[in-house]
Amino acid sequence: DIQMTQSPSSLSASVGDRVTITCRTSQSISGYLNWYQHKPGKVPKLLIYNVYNLYSGVPSRFSGSGSGTDFTLTISGLQPEDFATYYCQQTYRSPSAFGQGTKVTIK
Amino acid sequence: EVQLLESGGTLVQPGGSLRLSCAASGFTFSSYDMNWVRQAPGKGLEWVSSISGNGVITYYADSVKGRFSVSRDNSKNILHLQMDSLRAEDTAVYYCAKATCGSYCFSLDSWGLGTLVTVSS
Repeated sequence: DIQMTQSPSSLSASVGDRVTITCRTSQSISGYLNWYQHKPGKVPKLLIYNVYNLYSGVPSRFSGSGSGTDFTLTISGLQPEDFATYYCQQTYRSPSAFGQGTKVTIK
Repeated sequence: EVQLLESGGTLVQPGGSLRLSCAASGFTFSSYDMNWVRQAPGKGLEWVSSISGNGVITYYADSVKGRFSVSRDNSKNILHLQMDSLRAEDTAVYYCAKATCGSYCFSLDSWGLGTLVTVSS
C-alpha cells in the first residue's frame, strides 16, 4: 500500500500570507494526487485534482505542484475563509489514501 | 444539483453489524464510481471503499477488508455499505462520495453530510 506523509500537521498564519503544505508518498504516484479542504461541520471539498488542476469554482489563489513522490499545495494570499484542514489524497492505486491533514489556523 | 444523503448510522455493540445507505440524485448514478470515506472523532479522513458504476468491481481499505461490503442498486440510485464484525475503531462519521469518473476512480467531487456510527458496549 502507498503511505502518505503530509506536513506540517498544523500551522498558524495571517490573512494575506502565502502558505505551503507538502505531501510525500512512499512510492511514485505519477500525477494522481488531489487536495481537499475540510471545515468543521461541513463536507470536504475537492480543491485540486491530478496535482495542479483547479476544480470548478475554486479560487485561483490555490495552486498545486509536484511529481513522483513530492507534492505541494500553495495558498497565495490566505483569506479568512481558508482557515480549515487540508488533506492530500493519492488516487493512483487502490487502496486510495489520504494524508494525515494540515490544520490551518489564524495567527 | 448532486445530492447525497446517508442513513443508517447508529449505536451498535462490538461484533455487531450495520448497513449504511446513501440515496443519490441529480446525476446519472450508474455512470460514476461511488466511494465511502470515514472520519473518526478527532481524526483525519480515511478512505474506506469504492465501487464501479456498474457495481461489478469493488475496492477496500485493508482496515475493513473481509468485514465490510459495498454494493449499489442502480435502479434505485442507492449505495450501501454492509458493515460486519464491527470494532470500536470503526466509530466514525461515514461519508458517501461521488467520484469524478466511472472507472477505477477515487477523486471525489460531491459528498453527503455523513452518518455517525458508534461502536460501543
